[in-house]
Amino acid sequence: KQEVTQIPAALSVPEGENLVLNCSFTDSAIYNLQWFRQDPGKGLTSLLLIQSSQREQTSGRLNASLDKSSGRSTLYIAASQPGDSATYLCAVRIISSGSARQLTFGSGTQLTVLP
Amino acid sequence: DVKVTQSSRYLVKRTGEKVFLECVQDMDHENMFWYRQDPGLGLRLIYFSYDVKMKEKGDIPEGYSVSREKKERFSLILESASTNQTSMYLCASSLGPPPTEAFFGQGTRLTVV
Repeated sequence: KQEVTQIPAALSVPEGENLVLNCSFTDSAIYNLQWFRQDPGKGLTSLLLIQSSQREQTSGRLNASLDKSSGRSTLYIAASQPGDSATYLCAVRIISSGSARQLTFGSGTQLTVLP
Repeated sequence: DVKVTQSSRYLVKRTGEKVFLECVQDMDHENMFWYRQDPGLGLRLIYFSYDVKMKEKGDIPEGYSVSREKKERFSLILESASTNQTSMYLCASSLGPPPTEAFFGQGTRLTVV
């Protein structure tokens, strides 16, 4: 069964720092990987989707990379701001009949950016 | 922009009540999902649907059922609410196959007393 792990569980950085969030998964036969942001008490906001054939995706100050063979993805946040404070979740879709549509989530990294 | 709308942000129900959580998406997505999110357990899939009137069990379907009579609407039903169903419920939708980006609603915080 696919397992997704995110380390660290919590991270606190001063404003302006560049930071990296990590995601690892046990089954490399994935269809794609998606990064989300969740603010307290709210739903999930999609940040980036990386297909299995891609190595990275960029959106503004965010860059996500994917190394399928090693079962890892990273989310790089440049020049962090207090508004980036949230929980960041990664999720993967595995290639198997009937379940390619569903996501398996990591437990998230809670990020705090201090002013 | 894709919009996934859940009918309630907060709900308080009594033990034994039948509870309906509604989710509507406006992007003609084939796939719709219901998750619950609990501290320390993360997001867990309850049910999903890949077409009208089609449904598949997720990881924790016990105590729940679903209904998808129209493509844009996916309902989660708690047949007889129990206190251990107090949770944040999240609905999502996506195109596919092939599976594409998933979009989530704002969540429903359900408290069963």
